[in-house]
Amino acid sequence: AQSVTQLDSQVPVFEEAPVELRCNYSSSVSVYLFWYVQYPNQGLQLLLKYLSGSTLVESINGFEAEFNKSQTSFHLRKPSVHISDTAEYFCAVSDPENTGNQFYFGTGTSLTVIP
Amino acid sequence: KAGVTQTPRYLIKTRGQQVTLSCSPISGHRSVSWYQQTPGQGLQFLFEYFSETQRNKGNFPGRFSGRQFSNSRSEMNVSTLELGDSALYLCASSGTANNYGYTFGSGTRLTVV
Repeated sequence: AQSVTQLDSQVPVFEEAPVELRCNYSSSVSVYLFWYVQYPNQGLQLLLKYLSGSTLVESINGFEAEFNKSQTSFHLRKPSVHISDTAEYFCAVSDPENTGNQFYFGTGTSLTVIP
Repeated sequence: KAGVTQTPRYLIKTRGQQVTLSCSPISGHRSVSWYQQTPGQGLQFLFEYFSETQRNKGNFPGRFSGRQFSNSRSEMNVSTLELGDSALYLCASSGTANNYGYTFGSGTRLTVV
């Protein structure tokens, strides 16, 4: 089974500053990688995903993540955060060849943007 | 188009009771998965259904069961509720047989007292 580690449980950052949320997973076999965001009292919203191809993936709201196979990482970055980015962020991995469509989630990183 | 609808949004049950949660996927979606979210254990996979067949099951006791109907709507049932079953239960649906594009519902918040 896969395991996902999100190294920072809480990340405070000032508005308009850059941020990086770190994610490492346990195995370097072929995996799919995802970042989801959760706002209070809501479900998960897909931010971006890596399935294959270019190792740098981008979302429509300015986030990007880079798949690094050798370091088994998929860190999420944004060059300039906004107050509205305050939320819980989850990294997820699926291993289609071994466990099908099951997602393995990290424990989440709470991003707080300070005005 | 409407998103994934989970009902009810909130539920309070007593230990020992049973509960049924409902999930209506996005129209046309045939794949449905369920996850349990708790502060202590995080997000954990419960089951996955595709075209009424359970394709995968997580590591939960037999008290947790589910099913999917011909219209792709899904239900999960928890019998003999325990305090530790208090959680946010999330349902996700996909229009394909894989999880390239899972859309999650807002969840059902179950509190067991």
